[in-house]
Amino acid sequence: SQQGEEDPQALSIQEGENATMNCSYKTSINNLQWYRQNSGRGLVHLILIRSNEREKHSGRLRVTLDTSKKSSSLLITASRAADTASYFCATDEKTSGSRLTFGEGTQLTVNP
Amino acid sequence: AAGVIQSPRHLIKEKRETATLKCYPIPRHDTVYWYQQGPGQDPQFLISFYEKMQSDKGSIPDRFSAQQFSDYHSELNMSSLELGDSALYFCASSLAGTGEGGYEKLFFGSGTQLSVL
Repeated sequence: SQQGEEDPQALSIQEGENATMNCSYKTSINNLQWYRQNSGRGLVHLILIRSNEREKHSGRLRVTLDTSKKSSSLLITASRAADTASYFCATDEKTSGSRLTFGEGTQLTVNP
Repeated sequence: AAGVIQSPRHLIKEKRETATLKCYPIPRHDTVYWYQQGPGQDPQFLISFYEKMQSDKGSIPDRFSAQQFSDYHSELNMSSLELGDSALYFCASSLAGTGEGGYEKLFFGSGTQLSVL
């Protein structure tokens, strides 16, 4: 990845448990977004957090952003088997125009 | 609601052949992005267009070219294909200035799976 890393690369949990995925980036950003991708399919936007925000919620999703550490986390609470997918963070860098730069992704498996 | 349409869904080519991938953005979206995703890799930005003009350029090989037409659909042309070009190619669209606080979210198509043999 040109921007950063995601941690862990793979995560396997049981239904009902919480899943936490972390993302680090390298440059100054306007915002950070999280996307979900089912195997071989397109990416679906989940949530956006702006650089001046520290935490954001959307349903079972909670995102935090620490610009001093250049890191973000995505928490999925009460996970379901249908949450099984790859999760990518993407940053809108201040110097790169309109493009999004994706992290390496976390493969989440939720076992029923 | 209409989504981003990409065609073809799958494409098989031989080395040194050419390929054309098409993308039809969500109606009224004015910005199109192309991404390349290798197996197990993150999506890599190739190129984007805003109002039919190239707006940003990433790691797109010189063998590739793209354009956005008057009806806002976009085509990615790939020549002298190499084995390493085998990947999932995504198109995404957005409408400038309509995201939260002006920041845009991208709507992705289902991708074109290109296999170069």
